[in-house]
Amino acid sequence: KNQVEQSPQSLIILEGKNCTLQCNYTVSPFSNLRWYKQDTGRGPVSLTIMTFSENTKSNGRYTATLDADTKQSSLHITASQLSDSASYICVVSAKVGGDKLSFGAGTTVTVRA
Amino acid sequence: KAGVTQTPRYLIKTRGQQVTLSCSPISGHRSVSWYQQTPGQGLQFLFEYFSETQRNKGNFPGRFSGRQFSNSRSEMNVSTLELGDSALYLCASSPSRDVDEQYFGPGTRLTVT
Repeated sequence: KNQVEQSPQSLIILEGKNCTLQCNYTVSPFSNLRWYKQDTGRGPVSLTIMTFSENTKSNGRYTATLDADTKQSSLHITASQLSDSASYICVVSAKVGGDKLSFGAGTTVTVRA
Repeated sequence: KAGVTQTPRYLIKTRGQQVTLSCSPISGHRSVSWYQQTPGQGLQFLFEYFSETQRNKGNFPGRFSGRQFSNSRSEMNVSTLELGDSALYLCASSPSRDVDEQYFGPGTRLTVT
């Protein structure tokens, strides 16, 4: 069964600090992995998308890494800002006929001043 | 281009009632998917429509149904509402059936009392 597990479930960091979120998956055959940011009460917004051959991809202060061999990804937030407070969801796509998405439960990040 | 729009944004219903939610995809997008999001379960896939046909369905009871119109707009209906149906319902659109290009709407917050 395709699964996506994220850790930690939640974390609190001080403004200006860095943090790293983890995503482990068992999805197969792997197509791509996407990180979404979801503000409270809003729809998810894509931060990065990574295919099998990509190891690192950045979007401003967000940097995602992918290790397709160990089936692990991380999202690193640099110099956190209050606006980074949100839920971060890891979504892995499997190539099974049409694409099939598996969603992680998300990590809730709270940035405190 | 305007993003995915969902109406209404907020809805309060009582148990046993039925509800219809609407989603207008990004112009030119032909694929619409629906998701239920609850704090405990995260994002759960409901169904996907492409060219007015349901292409994929998640593990939800028959009380959940949907349809897509010729202009790609989609509706989902929940009959005989239960307290557990309280959730954020998200719609996402894609240009094609390739969900790699999925864009989410802001969601409809449904509360069942």
